[in-house]
Parts: sequence; C-alpha cells; structure tokens
Amino acid sequence: QQLLQESGPGLMKPSETLSLSCGVSGVSISHINYLWAWIRQSPGKGLEWIASIYYTGTPYYNSSLKSRISVSIDTSRSRFSLRLTSLTGADTAVYYCAREWGEGTGWFLDSWGQGTLVTVSS
Amino acid sequence: SSELTQDPAVSVALGQTVRITCQGDSLRTYFVGWYQQKPRQAPLLVVYGRDNRPSGIPDRFSGSTSGNTATLTITGAQVEDEADYYCNCRDSFGNHVFGGGTTVTVL
Repeated sequence: QQLLQESGPGLMKPSETLSLSCGVSGVSISHINYLWAWIRQSPGKGLEWIASIYYTGTPYYNSSLKSRISVSIDTSRSRFSLRLTSLTGADTAVYYCAREWGEGTGWFLDSWGQGTLVTVSS
Repeated sequence: SSELTQDPAVSVALGQTVRITCQGDSLRTYFVGWYQQKPRQAPLLVVYGRDNRPSGIPDRFSGSTSGNTATLTITGAQVEDEADYYCNCRDSFGNHVFGGGTTVTVL
C-alpha cells in the first residue's frame, strides 16, 4: 500500500521561503508511469495544483506560481520536495503531496498524503 | 478558458440520485477526474476518465462527459456521501485545473 507523508514547518513568516518534503513508501518513486505532485488548499477554499515532477527531475509548474516555486526529487531517498519563495498570508494553506498518473488525455491524483498545514504570519 | 465551473452546493434525499456538473472548455479535450473530500481529510479520487472507479469506490458513483460538461452521478446517495466534490483536468498549458467544488448534503 502506497503511502505519502508530508513534512515541513508549520509556521512561517512573510517573505520567508517554505521548504516541504514528501516521503514516498510502498511504491517506487522512479516508476515510469507516475508523476509526483504538490497541491494546496487555503482554509475554507478549494484545491490548487502547485507543481508536479517526474522521476527524471522534469518539473511542471502552475503558471500562476511559476516565478516562486521549484520542485526537486531524490530517488535515492524516495522523497520529493517543494520550495516556495516570498511567502505572504495568501500562501497559508494545507499542502498535500500526491501521486499522479495518466491515462488517455487525463492525469489523475490517485494517492494523497494527509496534508500539512502551513501558516504564514508575522 | 482554463477554468472549471461547479455549482457551489446541492442537496439530495437519502437513497435518491444526485448529479454534480462541471463545465469548462478543457473538458472537450482532456479527461476529468472527480475527487471527494470530507472534513479534515485529504481528497479521494472517486471517478476518472470516461467512467472509471478506483478500487474500493462503490459503483453508485459514475461519470460522464458531453461537450464541455462533465457530470458525476451518485445513484442512491448515502449519508457517507456527504462531502465536497471537485472536478479536475489538465489544460492546454499543462496545468492541473480544479473546479471550485460542490458541497453535497444528504437529507
């Protein structure tokens, strides 16, 4: 059974840089059929995709966040990471990592971590 | 447009059928995924593609797409189906786009 687990700081200050990590177990992070994704959800709001990354390191970024985000992957440690710069209160959210796979013209997030709340406040 | 539009809320009597719609131009090209989210839980994929369910999802959940509209149908809604439901697909820029979500209340 695959398991994803986010880790990172719960409280950040405005202008700081957030670093989150997601540990993957029960499935190979190097599986050719999967991407690894970050999604967030602001309190009481909907879901927002942030980025995805392939095991080769090829990233895919949300156009609206691209200038502030970077993702990386460490296949030897079965982990992938998110870096988000220049934080503001609008970045306060639950951050999820998830597994993504494609079929036909669709890409689906079929396994999610439990999420980690990041609060940006001075 | 890369947006996906959902009705904010819908209610259904216990055991009846409810349809949740999602509209957007990307649905003409890309397959949709539907996610169920209960309070304080991560989203759960319930329907994907033409009309597929991941293992463990009850067959009362089904999906369809016509033109720019995707529909998630719950046939014989149960109390445990009360949740937020989000549609999602890729757009032509490679972004994952989510709908705003529909809150389903089972009466």
